Amino acid sequence: GQNIDQPTEMTATEGAIVQINCTYQTSGFNGLFWYQQHAGEAPTFLSYNVLDGLEEKGRFSSFLSRSKGYSYLLLKELQMKDSASYLCAVRDDTGGFKTIFGAGTRLFVKA
Amino acid sequence: DTEVTQTPKHLVMGMTNKKSLKCEQHMGHRAMYWYKQKAKKPPELMFVYSYEKLSINESVPSRFSPECPNSSLLNLHLHALQPEDSALYLCASSQVRGAGESYEQYFGPGTRLTVT
Repeated sequence: GQNIDQPTEMTATEGAIVQINCTYQTSGFNGLFWYQQHAGEAPTFLSYNVLDGLEEKGRFSSFLSRSKGYSYLLLKELQMKDSASYLCAVRDDTGGFKTIFGAGTRLFVKA
Repeated sequence: DTEVTQTPKHLVMGMTNKKSLKCEQHMGHRAMYWYKQKAKKPPELMFVYSYEKLSINESVPSRFSPECPNSSLLNLHLHALQPEDSALYLCASSQVRGAGESYEQYFGPGTRLTVT
């Protein structure tokens, strides 16, 4: 089966750094995605990891440890517009390629 | 053009109606998806089309019927829906690549469906 866990909500201050964790269990793992979703809008792609290590893209970085079934998304220099849900999603190639989404972490950035 | 378009944006339908949701992309993506999303929940995969052929059906009730007329278009035909089917329906597309290669999905803005 598949299981993806991430915290339900987090609050951080503008200008700070926040780390959103994700743990997963899946049989046909073949990559992990992070998406951002503002309320009432569609998800937008942030990052992709398939090998262990850190991927950096501007203010956003994502880390993966396949042996631990663990990833995190790091957001630096937080801005108010970063208030959104952050979805951890796993590519599972069991029975055809598909992406399974976690429940998402709602991030509130306060002034 | 990195846009996925969906029509209509909003749809209200009765339980006896027949309606269709439409999705279009011109990025040359050969995989297209339908997701259902309830408020404060993650997107739930419904269907996956790969090279215009249905490759995944996540045990979706037959009152939802997908169709992929060509590589740019994806439809979702709705018939005899229930009030609990009210949700945001998201279309997405991606490349079809091999293992280890990124195939991020591009999402459309969604159709907000209300079944009365």
